[in-house]
Amino acid sequence: GENVEQHPSTLSVQEGDSAVIKCTYSDSASNYFPWYKQELGKGPQLIIDIRSNVGEKKDQRIAVTLNKTAKHFSLHITETQPEDSAVYFCAGRGSTLGRLYFGRGTQLTVWP
Amino acid sequence: GAVVSQHPSWVICKSGTSVKIECRSLDFQATTMFWYRQFPKQSLMLMATSNEGSKATYEQGVEKDKFLINHASLTLSTLTVTSAHPEDSSFYICSSQGTGSPYEQYFGPGTRLTVT
Repeated sequence: GENVEQHPSTLSVQEGDSAVIKCTYSDSASNYFPWYKQELGKGPQLIIDIRSNVGEKKDQRIAVTLNKTAKHFSLHITETQPEDSAVYFCAGRGSTLGRLYFGRGTQLTVWP
Repeated sequence: GAVVSQHPSWVICKSGTSVKIECRSLDFQATTMFWYRQFPKQSLMLMATSNEGSKATYEQGVEKDKFLINHASLTLSTLTVTSAHPEDSSFYICSSQGTGSPYEQYFGPGTRLTVT
């Protein structure tokens, strides 16, 4: 099955700075890559996703890039705010209705 | 995004008893629902995949007789933890995948189970 690696495991940034989280995947057939934000004691929330036919997608302060050749994708958060502090998970899926394979998560802390 | 609810949000039960957790997709029809468990500071671990009207598919190492999953309708799936033991204490989260949005998977808020 798919293997998704995520780095770093922890990330601390100053408010207003940018944060970048990177993931790699192993299955070249994977075609969908969502990112989830999970706050303490809550379920993961889908914040952005990208399909394999797109190289970049942006939604306000959040953007995701995908490099199919290198099999890696990244989450970029600009102008970080303390409320961005959470655990972020990347995931990959090999078929339209298949299961998601998750990375280990990144604990992002934004200091005011 | 779509809304998925879970009930209860937390439950404490005694060892040996059974607990049922409900997962509902409130504003879309979920052809597929997934059940995960998550230990503190760890990633999501898929337990099983269920499609409406058919038997659930369990991941390797997950006991299907202990974790009973029923997906009776397009809006409701239940997970029953039978004969619960303290090691079953965890955060259980469901997610739903709809017919209209085959790519997106939306998660419920989770259920904290504590077995004493």
